[in-house]
Amino acid sequence: DQQVKQNSPSLSVQEGRISILNCDYTNSMFDYFLWYKKYPAEGPTFLISISSIKDKNEDGRFTVFLNKSAKHLSLHIVPSQPGDSAVYFCAASVGSGGGADGLTFGKGTHLIIQP
Amino acid sequence: NAGVMQNPRHLVRRRGQEARLRCSPMKGHSHVYWYRQLPEEGLKFMVYLQKENIIDESGMPKERFSAEFPKEGPSILRIQQVVRGDSAAYFCASSQGSSPLHFGNGTRLTVT
Repeated sequence: DQQVKQNSPSLSVQEGRISILNCDYTNSMFDYFLWYKKYPAEGPTFLISISSIKDKNEDGRFTVFLNKSAKHLSLHIVPSQPGDSAVYFCAASVGSGGGADGLTFGKGTHLIIQP
Repeated sequence: NAGVMQNPRHLVRRRGQEARLRCSPMKGHSHVYWYRQLPEEGLKFMVYLQKENIIDESGMPKERFSAEFPKEGPSILRIQQVVRGDSAAYFCASSQGSSPLHFGNGTRLTVT
């Protein structure tokens, strides 16, 4: 039973355009959400997070939107750059940060930025 | 400020052997997490430890797997009598309190 779902295994976007990565969750107890970026042969790198008391968090080119009623969050990257090509994991937890229970990850979306 | 260090990066074991994976958390971090990533899958939580204590091992198989985080030295994930299905990337992460997890580059275990 997957509690965090990323339904698009891959996404191709032209350089300079907006990349939108989506994530759905089923566990209504989740109250903290994170996005991680992963390059091949490396560990995931923390990108941005959002608490359930907010519906938007922005950091430079990256913005995360949270729709609690729909149990949906999305990551927007604008403008997309070649270095953004990576696998993006959505993660959720009960409690802030890493949390005592660890993070529940989606399967990831492979973002490919086309020149 | 060194990040999370995992070694070895690659580990090959024959069926039935033991695999020992090491993780040194970031300086100042006292919380360690182990995750496993199977091919085409996301990262699956295995165990959460603080110094000398296992806090949550709900994601760890009941048999053959064990983890420790001693007072001195790295955290160790031990897999006894490995089988082919144990082949995966094992990631360690650390945090301090409620900070986001910082991950190491993983150990890729191949069981032949």
